Parts: sequence; structure tokens; C-alpha cells
Amino acid sequence: AQSVTQLDSQVPVFEEAPVELRCNYSSSVSVYLFWYVQYPNQGLQLLLKYLSGSTLVKGINGFEAEFNKSQTSFHLRKPSVHISDTAEYFCAVSPIIYNFNKFYFGSGTKLNVKP
Amino acid sequence: DGGITQSPKYLFRKEGQNVTLSCEQNLNHDAMYWYRQDPGQGLRLIYYSQIVNDFQKGDIAEGYSVSREKKESFPLTVTSAQKNPTAFYLCASSMPGLSSYEQYFGPGTRLTVT
Repeated sequence: AQSVTQLDSQVPVFEEAPVELRCNYSSSVSVYLFWYVQYPNQGLQLLLKYLSGSTLVKGINGFEAEFNKSQTSFHLRKPSVHISDTAEYFCAVSPIIYNFNKFYFGSGTKLNVKP
Repeated sequence: DGGITQSPKYLFRKEGQNVTLSCEQNLNHDAMYWYRQDPGQGLRLIYYSQIVNDFQKGDIAEGYSVSREKKESFPLTVTSAQKNPTAFYLCASSMPGLSSYEQYFGPGTRLTVT
């Protein structure tokens, strides 16, 4: 069975400060990992993904994430946030055993960037 | 432009009525998915379809039904048996086997049942 934990339901941060959104997962098999962003009343947009290779993954809008297999984590980071980064962020995993990509999502972290 | 269309954006229904949410994609993807989103609960899988004329229940299928008669269309019916239908519904698609591997999402439909 797979599960995804986003421990922080809300993260307040001031503009231009760094931020880290935490994601831990549990899985009995290898997984692919994803971060999505959702703006109010919109669908989800892919920020970045880890499929293989370098464990440090860079995505859109200046975000990056690092896959840590031993700690089963995939934390999302940005060195300097903008007001426009205010949104909800979802971590997701997809077990590699499936012949199609079934996703398991975390409960989301709301990032609130203050001026 | 390729993408996923969900209509309408907002939908209001009276309790006891069935309602069908539309999802259309022009990405030529084989797989399609329906998720339900409630505050603080993330996305929960309702139904998914890997190919035309085939679909499987997800984690919360009770009170919902789907059909997949065409590759590009995957409508979701919320029946009167669904005890708490008010939610934000998201449709997604993917192409298994593609190196990108990701799911692409539509803009969502917010359903309110009173």
C-alpha cells in the first residue's frame, strides 16, 4: 500500500523568504514522485517530477525538490518566494509496478506568502 | 491547444437529483481519471479508465457512475445515492508508457447540492 504525508497543512511565509514544503511517503515498491500546484478554483499544474537520475530536480517557477530514498522524502523548496506563489501544493507518488500511472496524493499544503 | 475541458465550472443541483459532469480531452491519452477534492483531504480517486469501454472503481466509487464510449470523453454521473456530493471534481488524463508519465488535469467543476 502507498501513502503520502504532507505534515504541514498551512505554511505562512514572508515575501522573498525561503520556503520548504515537506512530503514523506510510504511504499513497498519503488515510486515516481511529483509536486503539483493548485491556484484557487483551478486544476492542478505540474511543478516538477522525479522519475530517475539526479535526486535534485528543478521545476517551473524556481522550485526544486530533492528525493531522499533512505528517508522516503521529497521536500519542495524555493529560495525566495513571491506573492504569486500563494497556492496549495500537492505531493503525489505513483508506484512503478502499475502498467499505468495511478497516483496517490497527499492532503496538500497551503502556502500563504505575505508582503 | 491540447488540453482537458470540464464543464460547467459551477453546478448547482437539488438533493435527490442525478447530475452528470463532463470531461473531454484532445491529448489523445488512453487513460482518464476522476478525482474528488474536499478541503484538507487532498484528491481521492473515484473512477479511472485505461482504455475505451473499460473502467475501474477507485477508492470512493460509491454513489458515482462513469462511461467511456469514446477515447476523448469520460463523463461522471453523481447519483442520488452519493450521501455528500458537494465537492470540487477534477478530471485528469495520462498516456501510460510515455516518458513524461504525468497526469494532466482539467480546470475542475464545483458541484453544490442543496
